[in-house]
Amino acid sequence: AQSVTQLGSHVSVSEGALVLLRCNYSSSVPPYLFWYVQYPNQGLQLLLKYTTGATLVKGINGFEAEFKKSETSFHLTKPSAHMSDAAEYFCAVSPNSGYALNFGKGTSLLVTP
Amino acid sequence: GAGVSQTPSNKVTEKGKYVELRCDPISGHTALYWYRQSLGQGPEFLIYFQGTGAADDSGLPNDRFFAVRPEGSVSTLKIQRTERGDSAVYLCASSPVVSGFETQYFGPGTRLLVL
Repeated sequence: AQSVTQLGSHVSVSEGALVLLRCNYSSSVPPYLFWYVQYPNQGLQLLLKYTTGATLVKGINGFEAEFKKSETSFHLTKPSAHMSDAAEYFCAVSPNSGYALNFGKGTSLLVTP
Repeated sequence: GAGVSQTPSNKVTEKGKYVELRCDPISGHTALYWYRQSLGQGPEFLIYFQGTGAADDSGLPNDRFFAVRPEGSVSTLKIQRTERGDSAVYLCASSPVVSGFETQYFGPGTRLLVL
């Protein structure tokens, strides 16, 4: 079964600093990969997704992620953190012939002034 | 347009009771998914519907859990003889079609607490 591992359950960055949230996947075939964000008391919102084509994917709110097959990674980055970025971030994988998302355990991002 | 809505937003029940959780998907979306999110964990897949039929219910933990979507729109997740371990946030998502690459749009969830 395809799965993802998110390294670091909590990440703290200063406002204006680089955000890097790590996600590694296990899959024998190229998967579809997603990053979702969950703000307190809100539903999951899609940040970006990789299906095929360009390996550098740009999403909403200035986030981007790069699919690296050789490293089986799909890390999420943002050049400059804002206070409003504080939330829970989930990486997810879906098999290219399937539908159900397999989520990682999530990374809680804290942004300090 | 309107997103996925779920009712109730919170549900407190006693061990052994029966509960129903409702999901209204985005209009026109044929695929509907249920996930369960326990504290400190990512969402876990329970079941998905393509139209009215449950295409895959392999994620349902046991036979106390059941879901229906009789008219291909609204879905209800039913839990019989609730146990304290059922306490979690139940998430519903919908997408235009069933595929691995299609974006799933999530509702805000129903927070279930079993006392």
